[in-house]
Amino acid sequence: DIQMTQSPSSLSASVGDRVTITCRASQGISNYLAWFQQKPGKAPKSLIYAASSLQSGVPSKFSGSGSGTDFTLTISSLQPEDFATYYCQQYNSYPLTFGPGTKVEI
Amino acid sequence: EVQLLESGGGLVQPGGSLRLSCVASGFTFNNYGMTWVRQAPGKGLEWVSAINDSGDSTRHADSVRGRFTIARDNSQNTLYLQMNSLSAEDTAVYYCAKTRGPGVIRVGLDVWGQGTTVTVSS
Repeated sequence: DIQMTQSPSSLSASVGDRVTITCRASQGISNYLAWFQQKPGKAPKSLIYAASSLQSGVPSKFSGSGSGTDFTLTISSLQPEDFATYYCQQYNSYPLTFGPGTKVEI
Repeated sequence: EVQLLESGGGLVQPGGSLRLSCVASGFTFNNYGMTWVRQAPGKGLEWVSAINDSGDSTRHADSVRGRFTIARDNSQNTLYLQMNSLSAEDTAVYYCAKTRGPGVIRVGLDVWGQGTTVTVSS
């Protein structure tokens, strides 16, 4: 199984900050990497797929990069609605696996 | 608008069974793979099961293999998850999610339902 790790597990930031979250796969997954945002009590929401492609309707302040085993999600200017937990997920092979999440707090 | 609406969750005793449903609308259901993902209270996301567009290819996580079965009825735009031999470890919110293509691997997930809660307790 491919293990996904994320760092940091949580971070404190302020409105307007640039935030970067890192995701690492235990083996190469090409660019088959997605990022999801989840707010408390809500379903996950797709942000990024294929490592760097923006989901339709998602603001351009979100961006993704990486290939192989190392990936990043960047939020260029944090807004109040961006405080949430962010998960990476590999879909290169079964079982589909998620990272443990990064909680972005004020 | 693409929508997924899960139902069928509830309280069930250990060893019991439950069938979840996910009704899809706003897209051509039989053109896309589908998955179930769950989230235990206070925990992260765990993939459970996947099925391709035609329903002839399915996969399950090791934690549920032999107990859970994913299926779909393309004539009814509905995805199912039959859950047997439930234990407390299966307590979670269960989400259905649509993939971006006919399969699941190397395609990715885009739209998620709002989830249905399954509680296994005596």
